[in-house]
Amino acid sequence: EIVLTQSPGTLSLSPGERATLSCRASQSVSRSYLNWYQQKPGQAPRLLIYGASSRATGIPDRFSGSGSGTDFTLTISRLEPEDIAVYYCQQYGSSPTFGQGTKVEIK
Amino acid sequence: QVQLQQWGAGLLKPSETLSLTCAVYGGSFSGYYWSWIRQPPGKGLEWIGDINHGGSTIYNSSLKSRVTISIDTSKNQYTLKMTAVTAADTAVYYCARGRALAVITARFDPWGQGALVTVSS
Repeated sequence: EIVLTQSPGTLSLSPGERATLSCRASQSVSRSYLNWYQQKPGQAPRLLIYGASSRATGIPDRFSGSGSGTDFTLTISRLEPEDIAVYYCQQYGSSPTFGQGTKVEIK
Repeated sequence: QVQLQQWGAGLLKPSETLSLTCAVYGGSFSGYYWSWIRQPPGKGLEWIGDINHGGSTIYNSSLKSRVTISIDTSKNQYTLKMTAVTAADTAVYYCARGRALAVITARFDPWGQGALVTVSS
């Protein structure tokens, strides 16, 4: 099983600041199978980024993904108040797994 | 636009069988795997298993002995059954569209609304 470790656990930033979220895999993951999700309280997760760097339909361009191999990053270029959520990375190999999540909060 | 709607019993006693069904509206039903994912209260997400239109399944090895996913292609629905539940199975259970059969990328999108299942004596 591929273990995904996200850091930091919590990120406290001011509106307009840049958020950088990390996802590290215990073994190499195909870029095609690395995804990011946003989950707000009481809601189902929503796909943000698929294939490591492609934005899902309707996702603002302030969200971007990058990385390869074992290290992947989700960047929010200018944090908006509505971006407050928990963000999960996920790999869709033969046995899909999720990271433990990074909580983004407003300072 | 694809929408998933799920339902099932919300309160179970230990040792009972969990049963949830997800209906798929719109889009192609045959071109994808269909998934179940769960989230214990205040915790992260755990993939349970996938099924495709032909009935082929793949399960999380940690749950495989207790889980069965089945599909009814005539109704565009699929069902999760989990036997011998315990308090540790208390979670919000989500259905989601999984990997596409003919596309190189693979992701869970969209998701159902979620269903809280509580196991308590």
